[in-house]
Amino acid sequence: DVVMTQSPLSLPVTLGQSASISCRSSQSLLYSDGDTYLNWFQQRPGQSPRRLIYKVSNRDSGVPDRFSGSGSGTDFTLKINGVEAEDVAIYYCMQGRHWPPYTFGQGTKLEI
Amino acid sequence: EVQLVESGGGLVQPGGSLRLSCAASGFTFRTYAMNWVRQAPGKGLEWVSYISSSSATMYYADSVKGRFTISRDNAENSLYLQMNSLRAEDTAVYYCARDVNWGAFDNWGQGTMVTVSS
Repeated sequence: DVVMTQSPLSLPVTLGQSASISCRSSQSLLYSDGDTYLNWFQQRPGQSPRRLIYKVSNRDSGVPDRFSGSGSGTDFTLKINGVEAEDVAIYYCMQGRHWPPYTFGQGTKLEI
Repeated sequence: EVQLVESGGGLVQPGGSLRLSCAASGFTFRTYAMNWVRQAPGKGLEWVSYISSSSATMYYADSVKGRFTISRDNAENSLYLQMNSLRAEDTAVYYCARDVNWGAFDNWGQGTMVTVSS
């Protein structure tokens, strides 16, 4: 199984500051079709997960443009430019390249 | 608007059974693969099971293989998870999630809590 490793696991930030979360996979997530199957999810306290970004850098509808995803192969980053109070959540990366099983990172808790 | 509503959770004794349901609306259910994902209390997300749009293909996590069965009824716009031989470690919130492709879970339900305890 592909192991997804996130860092840090806890990320204290100040409002307005930028934040970066790293996600590394144990195998390349690049497929022969040229796409890389890495997604990012946000889970606010007491809520269901919500997809933020798919295929590394494609932001979902309604997701503020302060969220951006980047990376390739096995190394990926979720960046939040100008953290707002509503961004307090746990963020998960998830790979869809080598499945089953789909595998998630451990989660990174963003705290103000 | 896409809606996924889980039900069927509850308290069950170890070794017992439970059937979860996920009612889908707001989209053409029969054209999408679906998944179950769970989250133990205070823990991260764990993929549990996948079913293709036509039910031709099903996959399971090793932790539930042989005990859980995923199914769907496209006429009723419903997804199911039959859980047998339940263990304490199956205690979790269970979410259904729509799979656009390659694990791009674009919509999730609110979850249903399953507690396995004597």
